[in-house]
Amino acid sequence: EIVLTQSPGTLSLSPGERATLSCRASQSVSGNYLAWYQQKPGQAPRLLIYAASNRATGIPDRFSGSGSGTDFTLTISRLEPEDFAVYYCQQYGSLLPWTFGQGTKVEIK
Amino acid sequence: QVQLQESGPGPVKPSETLSLTCSVSGYSISRGYYWGWIRQSPGKGLEWIASIHESGSTHYNPSLKSRVTISVDTSKNQFSLRLTSMTAADTAVYYCARAEVGDFDYWGQGTLVTVSS
Repeated sequence: EIVLTQSPGTLSLSPGERATLSCRASQSVSGNYLAWYQQKPGQAPRLLIYAASNRATGIPDRFSGSGSGTDFTLTISRLEPEDFAVYYCQQYGSLLPWTFGQGTKVEIK
Repeated sequence: QVQLQESGPGPVKPSETLSLTCSVSGYSISRGYYWGWIRQSPGKGLEWIASIHESGSTHYNPSLKSRVTISVDTSKNQFSLRLTSMTAADTAVYYCARAEVGDFDYWGQGTLVTVSS
């Protein structure tokens, strides 16, 4: 099983600042099949990025994904008030099971 | 607009079987995509359970495979999950979702399943 470790656990930032979230895999993710989700309290996760660097439909361009192999990054260029939430990475490569990271909470400083 | 809605029994007793159905609107399951189940609990976070393609091809989480069955009913535009031998560890919010492969782009609102005697 591929274990995804997200860091930091909590990121305290102000609106307008840049957020950089990390996701490290215990082994290489095939096809760079790595997704990022945003989740707010009481809501289902929302797909932001798929295949490491592709924005999902309707996602603002302040969200970007990068990385390959075992190291991946989600960057939010300028935080908007609605961006404060929990973010999860997920791998969906050829090795089952597909797994999620434990999450990074982006909170208002 | 693609919408998914879970329906289920609410409380479940230990050792019982959980049956959940996901009704899809705004998109025909028979047109393709994978359809899956994911659960979320405070203790284990997000956990992928199983996925099925409209062709019938399935993928299961190996840790749950012996207890899980996923199926699709294209005539009703629904897909379903059965999870046997429920325990307190299976208490979670269960989501159904659509995926191109394993990247879930549309989700249901989730249904809380509590296992308690």
